[in-house]
Amino acid sequence: GAVVSQHPSWVICKSGTSVKIECRSLDFQATTMFWYRQFPKQSLMLMATSNEGSKATYEQGVEKDKFLINHASLTLSTLTVTSAHPEDSSFYICSAPAEQDFQPQHFGDGTRLSIL
Amino acid sequence: ELKVEQNPLFLSMQEGKNYTIYCNYSTTSDRLYWYRQDPGKSLESLFVLLSNGAVKQEGRLMASLDTKARLSTLHITAAVHDLSATYFCAVDRLAGYALNFGKGTSLLVTP
Repeated sequence: GAVVSQHPSWVICKSGTSVKIECRSLDFQATTMFWYRQFPKQSLMLMATSNEGSKATYEQGVEKDKFLINHASLTLSTLTVTSAHPEDSSFYICSAPAEQDFQPQHFGDGTRLSIL
Repeated sequence: ELKVEQNPLFLSMQEGKNYTIYCNYSTTSDRLYWYRQDPGKSLESLFVLLSNGAVKQEGRLMASLDTKARLSTLHITAAVHDLSATYFCAVDRLAGYALNFGKGTSLLVTP
């Protein structure tokens, strides 16, 4: 079963709206979670690393004031896209490192964000 | 900067044929991952390769890792339509770090 739950799976909203995406680890604690963005027919690009109890680490070129990340607890990280515009339309995927080094990361099911 | 390069980026192959996807990466790492992505879906883990010479097989797919050459391969044997998807390789610097993905190989298997 899924160990990382991501909601919502699909969002359509008007330009200027703020959208919150949640990523939960269901049966383990995640002090770190990762947020990726994937544009159509492209690869996944890391946006930021979410750290429980401290500020997120953003990749170069990602606006921290636009993409707000909060790691509220050991099982929940949220990404809020503030004042979204059509160019923010993308597929957002979160992941959490596995409990064991030899296991792959746990990915959420992704959120398809469409800004009209 | 850790770079991951895949080739080919697009691959159309007939059912029953064999082919190999290549993944090169730019820095020392003993850990390489292969994922499958279907349209509109998230990633499905296929293989985790953790050491030089590692080889793993699952059905018609076989992955290998050569850390000295910084090269991994994903070999497809006797392709079937159900294998049509996008395949990504990824590398992390250290365990628990974020992944650096290749651009992906879009595979289409035709009758």
